Amino acid sequence: AQSVTQLDSQVPVFEEAPVELRCNYSSSVSVYLFWYVQYPNQGLQLLLKYLSGSTLVESINGFEAEFNKSQTSFHLRKPSVHISDTAEYFCATCNDYKLSFGAGTTVTVRA
Amino acid sequence: DTGVSQDPRHKITKRGQNVTFRCDPISEHNRLYWYRQTLGQGPEFLTYFQNEAQLEKSRLLSDRFSAERPKGSFSTLEIQRTEQGDSAMYLCASSSQVGVYNEQFFGPGTRLTVL
Repeated sequence: AQSVTQLDSQVPVFEEAPVELRCNYSSSVSVYLFWYVQYPNQGLQLLLKYLSGSTLVESINGFEAEFNKSQTSFHLRKPSVHISDTAEYFCATCNDYKLSFGAGTTVTVRA
Repeated sequence: DTGVSQDPRHKITKRGQNVTFRCDPISEHNRLYWYRQTLGQGPEFLTYFQNEAQLEKSRLLSDRFSAERPKGSFSTLEIQRTEQGDSAMYLCASSSQVGVYNEQFFGPGTRLTVL
């Protein structure tokens, strides 16, 4: 079955600095990859997804992720973070209809 | 609000008691999922319904757990004889059945604390 591994459990970052959250996947077949965000006391929200086509996918709030088949990675990046980006971020893949999540990366943005 | 709703948002219970959670999916979605999220971990799949049929149960779902979706709309997840290890966030999600990938929309979760 497909799975994902998030390489960083916590990422502290200063406001307006760039951030990268690392995610590697394991699969020998076509993959669907996702990044979800969970703000404090809220449910999971889909941030962006890769299904096929362009390897660079973007979200509406400035995040982007690149599907890299040779490195089996789907890292999430944002060039300049805001305080409001403080949240937990989950990389996930889809096995049939089931989502399989990484352990999560907590991003704390400091002023 | 037409999103996925869950009730209650928080539940504190004593070990050995039974608890029941409810999930109301987005109305036009025929697929419904339950996940469990423990502290410091990502959500783990528990079970899945298509309409009223429960199509898969994870091995995480012991015989103390039962889920139903009687009319293909809302779903309930019951835990009998709760144990401290059941303390977690229980997440519900729903999706439609269109296309290759069906985006799952998550509810806010029910946080269970077993004392």
